[in-house]
Amino acid sequence: NAGVMQNPRHLVRRRGQEARLRCSPMKGHSHVYWYRQLPEEGLKFMVYLQKENIIDESGMPKERFSAEFPKEGPSILRIQQVVRGDSAAYFCASSPVSDIAVETQYFGPGTRLLVL
Amino acid sequence: GQNIDQPTEMTATEGAIVQINCTYQTSGFNGLFWYQQHAGEAPTFLSYNVLDGLEEKGRFSSFLSRSKGYSYLLLKELQMKDSASYLCAAPSGGSYIPTFGRGTSLIVHP
Repeated sequence: NAGVMQNPRHLVRRRGQEARLRCSPMKGHSHVYWYRQLPEEGLKFMVYLQKENIIDESGMPKERFSAEFPKEGPSILRIQQVVRGDSAAYFCASSPVSDIAVETQYFGPGTRLLVL
Repeated sequence: GQNIDQPTEMTATEGAIVQINCTYQTSGFNGLFWYQQHAGEAPTFLSYNVLDGLEEKGRFSSFLSRSKGYSYLLLKELQMKDSASYLCAAPSGGSYIPTFGRGTSLIVHP
């Protein structure tokens, strides 16, 4: 049973370009969460999605950032017009149904974004 | 929301026991998680406590006191491979999304 998959593992972009980060949840999991981690800092929640639905995006910057989890295919975190401050590790986690209880999140290996 | 506090760094000797503390201020309580994260890798789940008391899993144990807003992770018979960051995380009441502390960097030396 494959775990959470993320790609690419490393991504280099120049300022102003777009970054697309992909996440395939663990088999049987229908909930996806995106986190950002800066060096020496904790994981900061960005967005929580179910298939075709954004449940909570309270941690996501209002501009340049968007996320989706289509009916088919992986969840995508998109960062438009990247700036140097976007350089960080972006982790995706998945969990089974969590509408009625807290579920353990299982994390992917992360995408390390470097903006030049 | 949640405010999670844990020490930034700890050191310990191989074979010893170490206790990593975590305190939280909460607007509700939905349990507390501990994760381990090796440098450059993904966090991996260690434990989830929702009731008071100690839960043991091999060399690792986790303790919770809801009345004190306090938890600790206890690591026994330390091994070099236990050198990692240990993240305390708790969802706030009404949410199932955990707020993570900054993590405690544990260095195990021979």
